[in-house]
Amino acid sequence: SQTIHQWPATLVQPVGSPLSLECTVEGTSNPNLYWYRQAAGRGLQLLFYSVGIGQISSEVPQNLSASRPQDRQFILSSKKLLLSDSGFYLCAWRRLLTGEDEQYFGPGTRLTVT
Amino acid sequence: AQSVSQHNHHVILSEAASLELGCNYSYGGTVNLFWYVQYPGQHLQLLLKYFSGDPLVKGIKGFEAEFIKSKFSFNLRKPSVQWSDTAEYFCAVKDTDKLIFGTGTRLQVFP
Repeated sequence: SQTIHQWPATLVQPVGSPLSLECTVEGTSNPNLYWYRQAAGRGLQLLFYSVGIGQISSEVPQNLSASRPQDRQFILSSKKLLLSDSGFYLCAWRRLLTGEDEQYFGPGTRLTVT
Repeated sequence: AQSVSQHNHHVILSEAASLELGCNYSYGGTVNLFWYVQYPGQHLQLLLKYFSGDPLVKGIKGFEAEFIKSKFSFNLRKPSVQWSDTAEYFCAVKDTDKLIFGTGTRLQVFP
């Protein structure tokens, strides 16, 4: 079966510090991968998605970047965090089969920028 | 690009009451529609989905949703809610390689 991991689970970082959040998927190959930010009252905002190694699509201009160094690894980064980067970050994957369009979500990372 | 509207932001019900949560998407053609649920402290998980065929879709835990093409709607229903249905509910529509989510509806069910 497939599983998705995210770490860390929680993170408190000062403004101006760098960020690296990691997401890995097990039990599948060549998935589509996604980073979302969830904020109260704003639902899930898609930040980045990737259809393959080294292929990143950015949905929202912002202070963050994403990379996919391996097939089942997706990393969310920032060089200098802003207060507005605080939030709950979710990683998701999608199997590339006809009729299998649903996404499966990880447990999330709660980021607080102080 | 597609967009999704969920007009009910916060719904409070007593147990055994009926539930209907609204979801509208922005434009037609072939659509794939989803409802996800996030129980307190748990992962976001799929409740049900519509791809084609019967517009009345049945999901887990007694939930169902009806796709009405003429109204661009995919409302979620449950005839009798339970306290354990307390959660946040998200409607989503597929847009090429992505899912576009609504802002969510927080449901609180009181015993």
